[in-house]
Amino acid sequence: GAGVSQSPSNKVTEKGKDVELRCDPISGHTALYWYRQSLGQGLEFLIYFQGNSAPDKSGLPSDRFSAERTGGSVSTLTIQRTQQEDSAVYLCASSLVGLPQGELFFGEGSRLTVL
Amino acid sequence: AQTVTQSQPEMSVQEAETVTLSCTYDTSENNYYLFWYKQPPSRQMILVIRQEAYKQQNATENRFSVNFQKAAKSFSLKISDSQLGDTAMYFCAFYTNAGKSTFGDGTTLTVKP
Repeated sequence: GAGVSQSPSNKVTEKGKDVELRCDPISGHTALYWYRQSLGQGLEFLIYFQGNSAPDKSGLPSDRFSAERTGGSVSTLTIQRTQQEDSAVYLCASSLVGLPQGELFFGEGSRLTVL
Repeated sequence: AQTVTQSQPEMSVQEAETVTLSCTYDTSENNYYLFWYKQPPSRQMILVIRQEAYKQQNATENRFSVNFQKAAKSFSLKISDSQLGDTAMYFCAFYTNAGKSTFGDGTTLTVKP
């Protein structure tokens, strides 16, 4: 596609359920980032994939959060046993080369609401 | 660790006028990159302008320019000839050479007709 695609656009779930958020980056982009944006806040870094290197997971807030990137393309962010504080917009971004040299292209985000 | 502070939660400007959004940061690193991103109501973040810390010349992109003061750790964004389409939330972001990023909490800019 022309841009970074994220799905679902909106997700409402019950506390304790698992959720999966998908990111389809721009074709050919080697770097992929996940961020979390809480209401009225800036972006919180979660995880970074660069090519075949081991991902930088230093931003994941707890072991309930995990992410995979299959075949160097599509990525899935999984949140297990969701809590109300997980409610936020989850943004994915990709770039042709890793930051800071490359420009980040963002998706429109997945809004997660945990009841 | 790096911190980024945007001290103006909200700002407004009349169409065609100039507005400056402030951003200060704190870091012990010498080489880094600074970005301004725009997030309109559609939620999609868009790069506005970037500045490499080793460059003394302030970056400019059409109506957008920055005032980068490295010693003061300040990185303000000036928008000239403001347009209605500039209405958005603006985020200042700091990136290390390794790609670690820190974002400010944003400034909501409203351009009034």
